[in-house]
Amino acid sequence: IAGITQAPTSQILAAGRRMTLRCTQDMRHNAMYWYRQDLGLGLRLIHYSNTAGTTGKGEVPDGYSVSRANTDDFPLTLASAVPSQTSVYFCASSIRLNTEAFFGQGTRLTVV
Amino acid sequence: AQSVTQLDSHVSVSEGTPVLLRCNYSSSYSPSLFWYVQHPNKGLQLLLKYTSAATLVKGINGFEAEFKKSETSFHLTKPSAHMSDAAEYFCVVGYGNKLVFGAGTILRVKS
Repeated sequence: IAGITQAPTSQILAAGRRMTLRCTQDMRHNAMYWYRQDLGLGLRLIHYSNTAGTTGKGEVPDGYSVSRANTDDFPLTLASAVPSQTSVYFCASSIRLNTEAFFGQGTRLTVV
Repeated sequence: AQSVTQLDSHVSVSEGTPVLLRCNYSSSYSPSLFWYVQHPNKGLQLLLKYTSAATLVKGINGFEAEFKKSETSFHLTKPSAHMSDAAEYFCVVGYGNKLVFGAGTILRVKS
């Protein structure tokens, strides 16, 4: 592994189903983030984590939850998916908050 | 509230001509500023960053940006566009505990 790995790369999900998007980094970065990218809106922050064991809400946290049990992993869970959560999701990490972030390749999620 | 505005959603240039992608931000203090590039179906890659060491910042692939505090701008430039520069570019501002993204500018390069 080099950098940030996201899985799956794409997924079609039935509305109402639970889904966890996985994110792993091997750079020992303290901060991690989840963004969603939608046409014309750029990237919007869903949740972030300053360090293992702590998380915080971003601009659009509703319908999503995260956990940070260790430094490397930062999964994003949709408890009950809705069509408005159709998007491309990017995980990112940085040495600390508010510094240059490194991004994964993204997960394209379609909720039908 | 802090915000970042990319003034053009699309920019089209001919290969070999200069590129200018405009970005303005609002902030009550000097923020960290970044430009990222995203090629189709790819993740985001850092082009350059400003962290108060110098107002003119040089990045990868011949890009540079100038921080102008009086104008609250951080425009991205390149003297001569290449076909491989065609992508979407994001101006990003670091505030407190998060990075705030502009809506993006799609750069088209014509041969």
